[in-house]
Amino acid sequence: GQNIDQPTEMTATEGAIVQINCTYQTSGFNGLFWYQQHAGEAPTFLSYNVLDGLEEKGRFSSFLSRSKGYSYLLLKELQMKDSASYLCAVVDSNYQLIWGAGTKLIIKP
Amino acid sequence: DVKVTQSSRYLVKRTGEKVFLECVQDMDHENMFWYRQDPGLGLRLIYFSYDVKMKEKGDIPEGYSVSREKKERFSLILESASTNQTSMYLCASSFSGTESYSNQPQHFGDGTRLSIL
Repeated sequence: GQNIDQPTEMTATEGAIVQINCTYQTSGFNGLFWYQQHAGEAPTFLSYNVLDGLEEKGRFSSFLSRSKGYSYLLLKELQMKDSASYLCAVVDSNYQLIWGAGTKLIIKP
Repeated sequence: DVKVTQSSRYLVKRTGEKVFLECVQDMDHENMFWYRQDPGLGLRLIYFSYDVKMKEKGDIPEGYSVSREKKERFSLILESASTNQTSMYLCASSFSGTESYSNQPQHFGDGTRLSIL
């Protein structure tokens, strides 16, 4: 079967760095998305990776290793507003989007 | 900015009722999607539409139907609501892209929290 694994919950301190991991076992691979979802709000697009390596966008970076079936989202200089759930989603060989259950990130002062 | 608007944030209905959830997008996107989101599970696709009057079943279409009469509007219908359809429902839209709609970011509405009593 197809599977996306993310930690259920993580806690980090304001101003610190946190890495949220996503591992996947899917039938093929055609890209990987990260979305942010604040409680009670819409998921919003953060990043899209299709090639191996690190993509940086301000305080947020996303890394992909296709050979390892692994991605991470790196958040630097954490702010209280970064408290949210982070969703990983993989496009499989049939161009179906497979979603992880999300990681709830709690930022403490 | 893309705006996806869902008609209700909260909705309470009774078992057996026919329920309509409406979604409108303002960016002329070809594709529209309906998901449900339940605790501990990833988003699950109910139906999607890649053009007006076109629809495709997602992973969990049973008990649901959809309607897309206009490009900007995509409706989800619960034919006879049941308690196991209590959930958060999310609508999304996206451009088609050159390879597949799946490689395009989706833009989501704020969701409708539906309770079936």
